[in-house]
Amino acid sequence: AQSVTQLDSQVPVFEEAPVELRCNYSSSVSVYLFWYVQYPNQGLQLLLKYLSGSTLVKGINGFEAEFNKSQTSFHLRKPSVHISDTAEYFCAVSDQAGFQKLVFGTGTRLLVSP
Amino acid sequence: DTAVSQTPKYLVTQMGNDKSIKCEQNLGHDTMYWYKQDSKKFLKIMFSYNNKELIINETVPNRFSPKSPDKAHLNLHINSLELGDSAVYFCASSPDRDPYNEQFFGPGTRLTVL
Repeated sequence: AQSVTQLDSQVPVFEEAPVELRCNYSSSVSVYLFWYVQYPNQGLQLLLKYLSGSTLVKGINGFEAEFNKSQTSFHLRKPSVHISDTAEYFCAVSDQAGFQKLVFGTGTRLLVSP
Repeated sequence: DTAVSQTPKYLVTQMGNDKSIKCEQNLGHDTMYWYKQDSKKFLKIMFSYNNKELIINETVPNRFSPKSPDKAHLNLHINSLELGDSAVYFCASSPDRDPYNEQFFGPGTRLTVL
């Protein structure tokens, strides 16, 4: 079984500042890693995913994430945030074998203020 | 134009009633999912169908019964509604059941049981 921990439930940040949202996972098998974003009153959409290869993954809207196998982490970063980045961010994993079954973390609310 | 649509968007009902939520995707995907998001934003998979066949059935009360009349539709019927069923229910789809796929989410159905 897998589990995902997002230690920060809320991250306040000023516009144009950098931000890092932390994600750690636990799994006895190899997993694929995902970050999804949920804007207010909307469904989730994929920001980026790590499947294999380079540990630095670039996604949409200027976000990137780095996979660290030894620390079992997949932290999300953006060098300069906008007001429009205010949303809930979910880290998720899926066992590489078998059907896709996303296991989500509890989410981090990113609050960007002017 | 909407890729994954759900109806209704809001559902308010009394305890003990039976209700259904409908989901349709026009992406030509083979695999569809139902998720429950609770009041703390925690997102958990309930069911997954691949080409109308049930492939994931999490520990969900048997009051919840999914039905897939064709691979573009996945409906969720809930019998004898309870207060604890209040949540936002998301439908999602992916091209197939492979674990590395992106999932496309609907806008959600907010169910309130009084």
